[in-house]
Amino acid sequence: DADVTQTPRNRITKTGKRIMLECSQTKGHDRMYWYRQDPGLGLRLIYYSFDVKDINKGEISDGYSVSRQAQAKFSLSLESAIPNQTALYFCATSGTRLNEQFFGPGTRLTVL
Amino acid sequence: GQQVMQIPQYQHVQEGEDFTTYCNSSTTLSNIQWYKQRPGGHPVFLIQLVKSGEVKKQKRLTFQFGEAKKNSSLHITATQTTDVGTYFCVSGGSYIPTFGRGTSLIVHP
Repeated sequence: DADVTQTPRNRITKTGKRIMLECSQTKGHDRMYWYRQDPGLGLRLIYYSFDVKDINKGEISDGYSVSRQAQAKFSLSLESAIPNQTALYFCATSGTRLNEQFFGPGTRLTVL
Repeated sequence: GQQVMQIPQYQHVQEGEDFTTYCNSSTTLSNIQWYKQRPGGHPVFLIQLVKSGEVKKQKRLTFQFGEAKKNSSLHITATQTTDVGTYFCVSGGSYIPTFGRGTSLIVHP
């Protein structure tokens, strides 16, 4: 079984809709991250959480919110989706001093 | 996180040729990590460099960290089709990673 899972894997939605992307991990890591990937722009950090009670904005948090329901679960919400939020979204975890990031398989989101 | 610039954005090579991607920062980096993302996949950690002038090898891959800790490089010797993908350098201090934009390697058989 995969250590970091993301649901859904693909989603097509319309402008203005509320969308939630979910991430679960079985690695027992405290640190969790949400990124978006756009062609040619690398991965940009949206939000990160160092434990259940700690939530921090990343580089591009506008238009997004998150919830850390448990150590193993970190959800990303788009309250009112817009077309420029069309992207590939990755969740990642980290639990070592090295801060090696372990990524989920990604969610491809299309906002029409 | 500390911003890192990565070049080139794309690199086409013939199978068997060498490949190098470069990562540069205007500030001193505490460490640098490298990741590989295969087409359609997710980034996978390759290595971390911490010390000034550090050089590490993984088979045909050689990773270097500059003496001033402001630049890093990844060199692949004799590329193979399995090397295809995007290579990212990542700066990270205080557990907040910043990704470079990546170099996409295309290997022609």
